[in-house]
Amino acid sequence: AQKITQTQPGMFVQEKEAVTLDCTYDTSDQSYGLFWYKQPSSGEMIFLIYQGSYDEQNATEGRYSLNFQKARKSANLVISASQLGDSAMYFCAMREGLGAGGTSYGKLTFGQGTILTVHP
Amino acid sequence: DAGVIQSPRHEVTEMGQEVTLRCKPISGHDYLFWYRQTMMRGLELLIYFNNNVPIDDSGMPEDRFSAKMPNASFSTLKIQPSEPRDSAVYFCASSLAFSFSRQETQYFGPGTRLLVL
Repeated sequence: AQKITQTQPGMFVQEKEAVTLDCTYDTSDQSYGLFWYKQPSSGEMIFLIYQGSYDEQNATEGRYSLNFQKARKSANLVISASQLGDSAMYFCAMREGLGAGGTSYGKLTFGQGTILTVHP
Repeated sequence: DAGVIQSPRHEVTEMGQEVTLRCKPISGHDYLFWYRQTMMRGLELLIYFNNNVPIDDSGMPEDRFSAKMPNASFSTLKIQPSEPRDSAVYFCASSLAFSFSRQETQYFGPGTRLLVL
């Protein structure tokens, strides 16, 4: 089973509008961290936002917020007031704790990504 | 603060040649990770170090790949001999801690684009 699922291969949004990028995860561990990264066409991986499994409040970082629904195992990224510079590939990732088994501990497991295109 | 530094940024080599990729993590970060990104397999962890000690190398594809971290500010990923299927973007990342807090965020270098002909 996929540990991280991003069901939207591509998304389009109008400049200044908000957009939600979906991410669901699969883990049996109680302790885990969830991340979103942005990869523009230049190729670098840019950290956007982090949510810990024990965090009771949704994480926010400027125009980015994470809609964390633990029972549904979803961690959707919300980008408010989209800008042309937001056009990029977006990856959801998870780091599991020891409860997930030794081979998972430590590493980030990435989804397949969502390509976001912001139209003027 | 300087981010993660990787060199070279681009490498073109011929099959059978040795390739060495280099990484300097963010100062003070105790964890260093090597990832590989391909269209077919996405982003996958190859190996990670804690305080210069390799912790998990289960992602290293085969014996042709080796990684070292001789000190806290330098790591290498070596492929010998290289093959066309090794063509990919190789990222190095570092993090402060494993803590299930923002401190465990992995910060990525710019990557090395490797093409093996």
